[in-house]
Amino acid sequence: DSGVTQTPKHLITATGQRVTLRCSPRSGDLSVYWYQQSLDQGLQFLIQYYNGEERAKGNILERFSAQQFPDLHSELNLSSLELGDSALYFCASSVDPDAGELFFGEGSRLTVL
Amino acid sequence: DAKTTQPPSMDCAEGRAANLPCNHSTISGNEYVYWYRQIHSQGPQYIIHGLKNNETNEMASLIITEDRKSSTLILPHATLRDTAVYYCIVRDRNSGNTPLVFGKGTRLSVIA
Repeated sequence: DSGVTQTPKHLITATGQRVTLRCSPRSGDLSVYWYQQSLDQGLQFLIQYYNGEERAKGNILERFSAQQFPDLHSELNLSSLELGDSALYFCASSVDPDAGELFFGEGSRLTVL
Repeated sequence: DAKTTQPPSMDCAEGRAANLPCNHSTISGNEYVYWYRQIHSQGPQYIIHGLKNNETNEMASLIITEDRKSSTLILPHATLRDTAVYYCIVRDRNSGNTPLVFGKGTRLSVIA
């Protein structure tokens, strides 16, 4: 158990819909990261927050947005969903925003039908 | 970040040492070598990292060549639960907002 909690574990929805994925980092960790893993793309970095502020941005689509709240939990919002958005979405956290040692949650599996 | 090259797959007999190689011939002086693994559809798990000295923890050992152009992750007594994809990542630990970039990794199969 990494200490990072992600909900929901599984989500099935239809194209065009909007979903929100939630992440609670390990106690004491100020930095949160979101990664997407699809079958053909591998693990892709989406975005990083540190203490409520966006710190780094990767290949995150404009239809996706994220935020980190004052209690340090984070949410990833995916809108206008397409079939290709079906993937595992992982959240990770770290104490140090520059750390290479990240602690990953078990992921949220999104299926878009 | 420097690129890494790993074999796509490897087999290892249960109880034997698993030696997973990684080539990072363009690594720069400030870049660390990190290893993660991902057991089927679970979240990636940090294993170990190093700069130039060999490192050991409760999970594995990391051997980095003197020229730092390659490294080997060693699982001393592989078990079936070590079957996973292993990722070798090179990153400057003080690079600010540069994220970890995962490649395709090596799929290790531990065989009974």
